[in-house]
Amino acid sequence: EAQVTQNPRYLITVTGKKLTVTCSQNMNHEYMSWYRQDPGLGLRQIYYSMNVEVTDKGDVPEGYKVSRKEKRNFPLILESPSPNQTSLYFCASSLGIGYNEQFFGPGTRLTVL
Amino acid sequence: AQSVAQPEDQVNVAEGNPLTVKCTYSVSGNPYLFWYVQYPNRGLQFLLKYITGDNLVKGSYGFEAEFNKSQTSFHLKKPSALVSDSALYFCAVRPLYNQGGKLIFGQGTELSVKP
Repeated sequence: EAQVTQNPRYLITVTGKKLTVTCSQNMNHEYMSWYRQDPGLGLRQIYYSMNVEVTDKGDVPEGYKVSRKEKRNFPLILESPSPNQTSLYFCASSLGIGYNEQFFGPGTRLTVL
Repeated sequence: AQSVAQPEDQVNVAEGNPLTVKCTYSVSGNPYLFWYVQYPNRGLQFLLKYITGDNLVKGSYGFEAEFNKSQTSFHLKKPSALVSDSALYFCAVRPLYNQGGKLIFGQGTELSVKP
């Protein structure tokens, strides 16, 4: 089954404790992206990657890092999480940019205390 | 600044009635336009998109959307709503020459269909 998977689905952590949210897709997509969803704000892009070893900042990159060492994986790293990073996070992938629709993972609900 | 507006936070419809979820955008050039649906505790699912051509596009689950260039709108419609259509709907646009492939999302509209 073609899908985007994320782990963990739920995470409660404390301020300053480094964490990684994994994202993997099995569709051989070149483009991957991370979004955060906050009430009343829709989804905002954090980082994106056009291909392996090619990543760039989205609209809200502060406090986040990403890497793209393999085509299928695009982990999101929070080196020192803060409470304002409490949010619902989605990973997405698509064949490319342009008119290709994006496929979304199930989401990771992160709470930073 | 480029933006997408969904003017209604919530839309309530009786089952069997037609539904409309509104979306307007402010983006330079001719963007690609998308609708996504989010069911509780699930990721977003693609419904339909407008690239070019016929202003009325048809998508999944009986949904359709009408592109209006002069009004910069892309309203989502369905002739007869089902209770199972209840969900959160997002309009999104991608500017034609956007280098980052970013989707600009509206804030979402909660659709509630009552029996």
